[in-house]
Amino acid sequence: GESVGLHLPTLSVQEGDNSIINCAYSNSASDYFIWYKQESGKGPQFIIDIRSNMDKRQGQRVTVLLNKTVKHLSLQIAATQPGDSAVYFCAENPISSGSARQLTFGSGTQLTVLP
Amino acid sequence: KAGVTQTPRYLIKTRGQQVTLSCSPISGHRSVSWYQQTPGQGLQFLFEYFSETQRNKGNFPGRFSGRQFSNSRSEMNVSTLELGDSALYLCASSFYSGGSYEQYFGPGTRLTVT
Repeated sequence: GESVGLHLPTLSVQEGDNSIINCAYSNSASDYFIWYKQESGKGPQFIIDIRSNMDKRQGQRVTVLLNKTVKHLSLQIAATQPGDSAVYFCAENPISSGSARQLTFGSGTQLTVLP
Repeated sequence: KAGVTQTPRYLIKTRGQQVTLSCSPISGHRSVSWYQQTPGQGLQFLFEYFSETQRNKGNFPGRFSGRQFSNSRSEMNVSTLELGDSALYLCASSFYSGGSYEQYFGPGTRLTVT
């Protein structure tokens, strides 16, 4: 079946550098995408979302880019800090689900920030 | 505002038993969704409740069930537990704002089936 997946399972970056986490999705019917951050022992934390009628959205130190042509989503974190170390998940909501709360999650990328 | 709370945080059960997990959403949120998180399968959608009605259900067997009360608190039940049910069970409450359905997750209940 169709699923959301991540290109890389782990990513290490130097503190202060920018991070880019990628996500590929295969369900062309999806119209809503979210990035979550999950720290050890905690539930996922909402970072930023984007609808399919947009190709870029910016938040505080984060930017999400959506390329519908190649079904690719990315999360850019500017000036990465030690507190950014966590597992990052992309999630999609297919229109066919009938509910924006039924999300399909990717497998996650472990981001490690090096001092 | 208090966040999403889940009880208990940790639970150990044996095969064949049943278990009930509880979730209290953020005040004012009427939608509650449940997810199962395992190392092998990742985060998988179980079901969603809104105004005491199940609106969506994921691909899980009938042993997994849930309900929502008039105060939006939700419970999920797993009957006849199997070893493979060991997982982190996450509850999320959500509201609609400015075109976004922001879901806020609780810390989860870690269920271990022995």
